[in-house]
Amino acid sequence: GAVVSQHPSWVICKSGTSVKIECRSLDFQATTMFWYRQFPKQSLMLMATSNEGSKATYEQGVEKDKFLINHASLTLSTLTVTSAHPEDSSFYICSARGGRGQESNQPQHFGDGTRLSIL
Amino acid sequence: GDSVTQMEGPVTLSEEAFLTINCTYTATGYPSLFWYVQYPGEGLQLLLKATKADDKGSNKGFEATYRKETTSFHLEKGSVQVSDSAVYFCASRGYNQGGKLIFGQGTELSVKP
Repeated sequence: GAVVSQHPSWVICKSGTSVKIECRSLDFQATTMFWYRQFPKQSLMLMATSNEGSKATYEQGVEKDKFLINHASLTLSTLTVTSAHPEDSSFYICSARGGRGQESNQPQHFGDGTRLSIL
Repeated sequence: GDSVTQMEGPVTLSEEAFLTINCTYTATGYPSLFWYVQYPGEGLQLLLKATKADDKGSNKGFEATYRKETTSFHLEKGSVQVSDSAVYFCASRGYNQGGKLIFGQGTELSVKP
């Protein structure tokens, strides 16, 4: 079946540094990718939606300058947490979907997540 | 706006017990409905789905039926195993939502041998 690879799976870094998380679709063209944030024992919070070749659409309350999203190809999207601080520590999950158009009924396939810890 | 509500966890069962995790939704129109499972330290895996009223989704012994009249999509399994221990998320995806999934808060299931 479809596979989405997310890398790294775990990262620890110092406060003030920037961290890049990659999300790759391995066997299908991901026209749309979603980035989520998950706090311990809580649900997934959608941060942004990105369509290949266009700017990401951010959910209300998500700082676009803080969480930079790039979706330059049909198989790769990246999330960069800029100038990370301890409050940015969380579990970040990406998902990818094929098909054309916003209302594509193709399923979303999820990566295994990245645990980010900022010291 | 659209929302999904799940029963609170954690749910603790003995092996071979019957499982029900309740899920209700609010939406304009008729959304597609999903159950996802998350094992510790991992992302989400699609467990089953239903796209219209009275559809039954099923996979790995789990079932859920799309009930329009009660706006529900309860997850059931007749005999749980220790390996079913995970967090289960109910989700909806409405039309004109840009393909966004709306997740419930998740229900943690712990199955004891």
